[in-house]
Amino acid sequence: QQQVKQSPQSLIVQKGGISIINCAYENTAFDYFPWYQQFPGKGPALLIAIRPDVSEKKEGRFTISFNKSAKQFSLHIMDSQPGDSATYFCAASTGNTDKLIFGTGTRLQVFP
Amino acid sequence: DAGVIQSPRHEVTEMGQEVTLRCKPISGHNSLFWYRQTMMRGLELLIYFNNNVPIDDSGMPEDRFSAKMPNASFSTLKIQPSEPRDSAVYFCASSPALEQYFGPGTRLTVT
Repeated sequence: QQQVKQSPQSLIVQKGGISIINCAYENTAFDYFPWYQQFPGKGPALLIAIRPDVSEKKEGRFTISFNKSAKQFSLHIMDSQPGDSATYFCAASTGNTDKLIFGTGTRLQVFP
Repeated sequence: DAGVIQSPRHEVTEMGQEVTLRCKPISGHNSLFWYRQTMMRGLELLIYFNNNVPIDDSGMPEDRFSAKMPNASFSTLKIQPSEPRDSAVYFCASSPALEQYFGPGTRLTVT
């Protein structure tokens, strides 16, 4: 009930391509869905987040798509660049706690 | 702001020794989190504090692990005695609300 399932585990994309990472959840009480980006040797950093009252949020090349009925959300990276190579984590939380439930992570490699 | 500060950045110790990891959260943030990251288990929440009070320690693996937050600007995670399976990167994060700001981590190696 508290899990967030993330796929794929790893992803290889050509420069300029679109990277898509998917997450699914069961707990309908979740109301905050962030994505974190982690570079090797660094801590995760917030990339973009969405609330369930909207179906899409875009910030530059990064877009979250949210499907409330399917209990799924995804991260799309347009025009992927080698500098986007990192591990990406989706997460979810309910409004009454600061605790985030993290997915298992996706290692993205973008080749030139 | 300097961000979340963790020390040491690297720690190598022998099995059975006590290990203390330290964290200084961002000023003004009222929540603090300790995570452990390994290849096998991913990012695990160990414990989190709100206003210096432990709220959820269900992720603390066993009694060998303990965490304290004596004031709003300092927290420690202690492992006593340490074991090789405790080898991991330990992250501290602080939060003013929902967004969590992670520190650079402490890489712990127990031989």
